[in-house]
Amino acid sequence: DQQVKQNSPSLSVQEGRISILNCDYTNSMFDYFLWYKKYPAEGPTFLISISSIKDKNEDGRFTVFLNKSAKHLSLHIVPSQPGDSAVYFCAGADSNYQLIWGAGTKLIIKP
Amino acid sequence: DVKVTQSSRYLVKRTGEKVFLECVQDMDHENMFWYRQDPGLGLRLIYFSYDVKMKEKGDIPEGYSVSREKKERFSLILESASTNQTSMYLCASSSGGGDEQFFGPGTRLTVL
Repeated sequence: DQQVKQNSPSLSVQEGRISILNCDYTNSMFDYFLWYKKYPAEGPTFLISISSIKDKNEDGRFTVFLNKSAKHLSLHIVPSQPGDSAVYFCAGADSNYQLIWGAGTKLIIKP
Repeated sequence: DVKVTQSSRYLVKRTGEKVFLECVQDMDHENMFWYRQDPGLGLRLIYFSYDVKMKEKGDIPEGYSVSREKKERFSLILESASTNQTSMYLCASSSGGGDEQFFGPGTRLTVL
C-alpha cells in the first residue's frame, strides 16, 4: 500500500516555463512533507519542505502547495532551468518520524 | 560542509557472497538510514538506527542486516547476495527522526 504516490513517472517542460510536480498521499497523520531532488549517480538532496499546518511555502523559484482536504501537494518551479532536470521525490513524515517516499518524477527541461 | 560518505560507488559481487556496505557521517547525527532505490519504486527503507547499537527494521529488511558500533558509522550487510538485491543503495543521516535527511552518493551494487 503506497502511502505517497507520484503518478507521473516523467514530465517534460520547456525552459523558462513553469514545472508542476504532483504528489498524493493517503496518510492523514503526516506532520510535514519534503521534496528532494536527485541527479544521476548522486544521493538525493533536500529541496523544500512544508508543515501540515501550512498551505504554501516558498523558496526562490520553488513553491510547494499543500491541499490537506484533497491530500495533495505540488511543487512549482518558476522559471524552469536546464539544471532543474532531475528526479524529484516527495516524502511525508509520519508519526514515527520516518520519511515515507513517493516513487519519483523525472523532470526534463527542454532548451 | 556536511557529509555522508559511502565506501564504494560501484560494486559487483557474485551470488552467495557476503557484501558489506559502509556509511560514515560527520554531522554527529543520531539517526542513520539505509534505503534501496529501484526504478518506479522510489526509496524503500531497509533498516534504520536511532542510536549506537540500536537498529529497527524498515519496510524491506529481508536478506539484510546492519551494524552500528559507532555513532558515525552504519553498515549494511548482505549475508548471501542474490540477484534481486541488485540495486542502488543509499545511506542517509538526520539529527531527528523526521528531520531533513542528508544522503550519501549511493552505491550501485550489481549481483551476478
